[in-house]
Amino acid sequence: KAGVTQTPRYLIKTRGQQVTLSCSPISGHRSVSWYQQTPGQGLQFLFEYFSETQRNKGNFPGRFSGRQFSNSRSEMNVSTLELGDSALYLCASSFGTAASTDTQYFGPGTRLTVL
Amino acid sequence: GESVGLHLPTLSVQEGDNSIINCAYSNSASDYFIWYKQESGKGPQFIIDIRSNMDKRQGQRVTVLLNKTVKHLSLQIAATQPGDSAVYFCAEGGYSGNTPLVFGKGTRLSVIA
Repeated sequence: KAGVTQTPRYLIKTRGQQVTLSCSPISGHRSVSWYQQTPGQGLQFLFEYFSETQRNKGNFPGRFSGRQFSNSRSEMNVSTLELGDSALYLCASSFGTAASTDTQYFGPGTRLTVL
Repeated sequence: GESVGLHLPTLSVQEGDNSIINCAYSNSASDYFIWYKQESGKGPQFIIDIRSNMDKRQGQRVTVLLNKTVKHLSLQIAATQPGDSAVYFCAEGGYSGNTPLVFGKGTRLSVIA
């Protein structure tokens, strides 16, 4: 069974631009969670989508948004990029909701660099 | 807010020795714990999990121990190999129907050949 895939793997943007990242979960998984990983803050939860509905949202500004499609694929968008948005963005999928005890499986991440 | 923490940020072990990575959690209501391994340039990889109704669980070369009395979690890796070099994260959750996992900062394990 194919794992979680994320595209693109690397992205370079400039301040003020916007970016869209994509995540395809493991087949059959209905939950997709997004995390931001930085050396200083570690893994921080952004939001979770389950059956096209946002179930949970972390403590990030409104510039960070996401959505999930009927095939469970998810996208996250960051508008008006800031230098501090440079990070590895990880997507994780699980069969049930992320808040349940279903194991989350991570993708390889998208490395976003904001110049 | 409550968060998951780690006692040691880095750990160096000789190849063949056993490794022990520790994690302290603060939410006594947490009832699900997971260890992830993250190699350079990759996403976190699931290693093993444990529910709060257990105090020990074994996998292939790995054992997770849970001490709810002192809110402590540990990951033991037997016969550590160079391929075990990575950052290890613990995470807690399951205490609420709508609360995501909380991850620790991570411990870097370096295996010396």
